[in-house]
Amino acid sequence: QLQLQESGPGLVKPSETLSLTCTVSGGSISSSGFYWGWIRQPPGKGLEWVGSIYYSGRTYYNPSLKSRVSISVATSENQFSLNLTSVTAADTALYYCARLVTTIVVVIDLWGQGTLVTVSS
Amino acid sequence: DIQMTQSPSSLSASVRDRVTIACRASQSISTYLNWYQQRPGKAPKLLIYAASYLQSGVPSRFTGSGSGTDFTLTISSLQPEDFATYYCQQTNSIPYTFGQGTKLEIK
Repeated sequence: QLQLQESGPGLVKPSETLSLTCTVSGGSISSSGFYWGWIRQPPGKGLEWVGSIYYSGRTYYNPSLKSRVSISVATSENQFSLNLTSVTAADTALYYCARLVTTIVVVIDLWGQGTLVTVSS
Repeated sequence: DIQMTQSPSSLSASVRDRVTIACRASQSISTYLNWYQQRPGKAPKLLIYAASYLQSGVPSRFTGSGSGTDFTLTISSLQPEDFATYYCQQTNSIPYTFGQGTKLEIK
């Protein structure tokens, strides 16, 4: 049974870089047809798609974050990572890693449990 | 970006009630519309994809309909475990955007 697990610092200082890793277990990140992505949720608020990556390295980013965000994949380690630069308090959120798949449409069919990242000095 | 607007933002209902949640897109998205359920402290869970297709393992009391800009999620007979927040999401174009959520509470 495939599972996703986020890891990384829970506290990041303003203007620094937020870095998170998602480890995929129970299956291969290189399986064709699946994308891997990040979705975030500020405390008490709604969901925001951050970006996605294919195992080949092809990426898609939310334009609202595009200048600050990068997602990479490490197929040998079955992991993918998120970097978000120049963070502010507005980047405080629960960050989920997830699997995206195209059935009839693109769906997010598997989620990690989420990791809370707080931006504060 | 395509804006997704849900109504109502919150809803009180009783067990065995029938409820409907609406989702409107700012432009036509055909049937590129998904619904998710999020229980407190948990990750979202996919319920409905492509507007009307039930995800495997999801009870048949959940149904979705609509196309173009207007969509609905209906729960035919509320069960205690259905009290949660529901989100619609469009995957017609990037960035994939979500509605603001509808919180379904026990009356």
